[in-house]
Amino acid sequence: GAGVSQSPRYKVAKRGQDVALRCDPISGHVSLFWYQQALGQGPEFLTYFQNEAQLDKSGLPSDRFFAERPEGSVSTLKIQRTQQEDSAVYLCASSRPTGNEQYFGPGTRLTVT
Amino acid sequence: QKEVEQNSGPLSVPEGAIASLNCTYSDRGSQSFFWYRQYSGKSPELIMSIYSNGDKEDGRFTAQLNKASQYVSLLIRDSQPSDSATYLCAVRALSYQLIWGAGTKLIIKP
Repeated sequence: GAGVSQSPRYKVAKRGQDVALRCDPISGHVSLFWYQQALGQGPEFLTYFQNEAQLDKSGLPSDRFFAERPEGSVSTLKIQRTQQEDSAVYLCASSRPTGNEQYFGPGTRLTVT
Repeated sequence: QKEVEQNSGPLSVPEGAIASLNCTYSDRGSQSFFWYRQYSGKSPELIMSIYSNGDKEDGRFTAQLNKASQYVSLLIRDSQPSDSATYLCAVRALSYQLIWGAGTKLIIKP
């Protein structure tokens, strides 16, 4: 079906606000990844889900970052009390059960003012 | 620390010529290798994957892998202005995590 979708595409938040970023993976893809990408850099791993299980959250930069995927499909990345250093593009990717290739959504550009 | 290195560029190539992009990696246990293309303001798009030593061709793109020397390259034949983008190399070892290079900016000059 359709590719990975993310919403919103752009988010402006005032410092201290909470934000929630949504990812809808490709149908049938059990693996879901969140990345953070700064300008001029490659994506940086944040967290990984296999179905509803969060198997790795080692890349989350602080305890203000939280991700969930309660039903094994849509995932939400939540950032509490946003800081200016959280400004970046947040990318979601998914892959097939036996696949290595990751397919990316369009990303959410977060700007914290 | 596992690393993937790419020349940041920009690499400028005349239209119609061959563009050659290189990537080296530090983890000898790496198993899977990927090239992504990223246009400015867009997300990465997978263009090639390669898993074994040698060449893999797909249209105008050829990926080359040399595990002994720990490098992977991407050749783009008959370069077009639409190929102008940043090319990201990503490497996967035994785990699910991809280790990413910072990307090489490619400019195709008409």
